[in-house]
Amino acid sequence: DQQVKQNSPSLSVQEGRISILNCDYTNSMFDYFLWYKKYPAEGPTFLISISSIKDKNEDGRFTVFLNKSAKHLSLHIVPSQPGDSAVYFCAASASGAGSYQLTFGKGTKLSVIP
Amino acid sequence: AAGVIQSPRHLIKEKRETATLKCYPIPRHDTVYWYQQGPGQDPQFLISFYEKMQSDKGSIPDRFSAQQFSDYHSELNMSSLELGDSALYFCASSSTVGGPGELFFGEGSRLTVL
Repeated sequence: DQQVKQNSPSLSVQEGRISILNCDYTNSMFDYFLWYKKYPAEGPTFLISISSIKDKNEDGRFTVFLNKSAKHLSLHIVPSQPGDSAVYFCAASASGAGSYQLTFGKGTKLSVIP
Repeated sequence: AAGVIQSPRHLIKEKRETATLKCYPIPRHDTVYWYQQGPGQDPQFLISFYEKMQSDKGSIPDRFSAQQFSDYHSELNMSSLELGDSALYFCASSSTVGGPGELFFGEGSRLTVL
């Protein structure tokens, strides 16, 4: 049972436009959410995070929105750049768990077209 | 800055053989995590260690074991290898001081079982 769902396996966006990546979760115990970016043959690299006490967190071109009632979060990248082309993983953790291990979604492959 | 170091980067084994993967976390990080990512799959949590003690257990097969040593490096031991064990194995570390935070991932060890 997939607790973190990224329903779009891929997304193509024109350079300069906004990229919106979506993520849904089912476990109400999750209270910390992260986005990771992954290039081929590399480990995931942290992008941005949000705690459940917030509904928005912004860092440069990246903004994450959290809708707790809908158990939904999204990552906005604006403007999108070709270097943003990668697989983006949504991840979640629960503070009450034994460790802060992350549960990942299956990823969305973003292609930014020049 | 020092990152998470994993070795070996690539490993080829035959069925029923054993393999050992090593992970050197970022200095002063207190938690180490192991993840397995099969082809086209999301990273699946295997096991974690906090201050050298197992803190959480995920979908780690009984054929696998792991430990964290006094110098904080961790090893994942895999025995009776099966074809389905072929995957990317990521180690990550984090500092849990102050609550959940980002995990820093290594570049992964690619295991191929023939």
